[in-house]
Amino acid sequence: GQSLEQPSEVTAVEGAIVQINCTYQTSGFYGLSWYQQHDGGAPTFLSYNGLDGLEETGRFSSFLSRSDSYGYLLLQELQMKDSASYFCATDPGNTGKLIFGQGTTLQVKP
Amino acid sequence: GAVVSQHPSWVICKSGTSVKIECRSLDFQATTMFWYRQFPKQSLMLMATSNEGSKATYEQGVEKDKFLINHASLTLSTLTVTSAHPEDSSFYICSARDGTGRGDIQYFGAGTRLSVL
Repeated sequence: GQSLEQPSEVTAVEGAIVQINCTYQTSGFYGLSWYQQHDGGAPTFLSYNGLDGLEETGRFSSFLSRSDSYGYLLLQELQMKDSASYFCATDPGNTGKLIFGQGTTLQVKP
Repeated sequence: GAVVSQHPSWVICKSGTSVKIECRSLDFQATTMFWYRQFPKQSLMLMATSNEGSKATYEQGVEKDKFLINHASLTLSTLTVTSAHPEDSSFYICSARDGTGRGDIQYFGAGTRLSVL
């Protein structure tokens, strides 16, 4: 089957750095995406890694290692508004059909 | 980024009635849109792929007669939940693929919270 595994919950304090890991097992692989979803809201695209290495977008960075079937999302200088669910996702067939991990709920505390 | 509009954002209906949810791409043409379902505190599960001008393709376990999808134009896909029952209560979200063709980058509608009484 196809699966993406990520921790269910992470807690951190304002200003800190947090890393959310994602390991995947899929029939095909083109890249790993990360989405943020606030409670009751729509998922919003954060970052995409098609190649190994680090992609940086402001306070958010994402990393991919194809050989390890592993990626992570790094959030720096955490703010209260970063409290949300974070999903890793991939499209095994490059058809647009995304498979999502179960999501990691990040709670940022003062 | 691209904008996807979804309407209504919240609907409450009686058991046995049908509910239509609209998904529009506002500033780009989407030949393909996707419909997801999300239960509280859970992940998004793909229900079906909506193809402009042709039949939708449904994921395994999704009843196509229950969830009717129509993609009549390049900017509009609709999902109709027919004869809704309380177990159909969920958060329904549509998405459209980024125009660059990178399937992993998708833009999502705001979602529709369906409550069936």
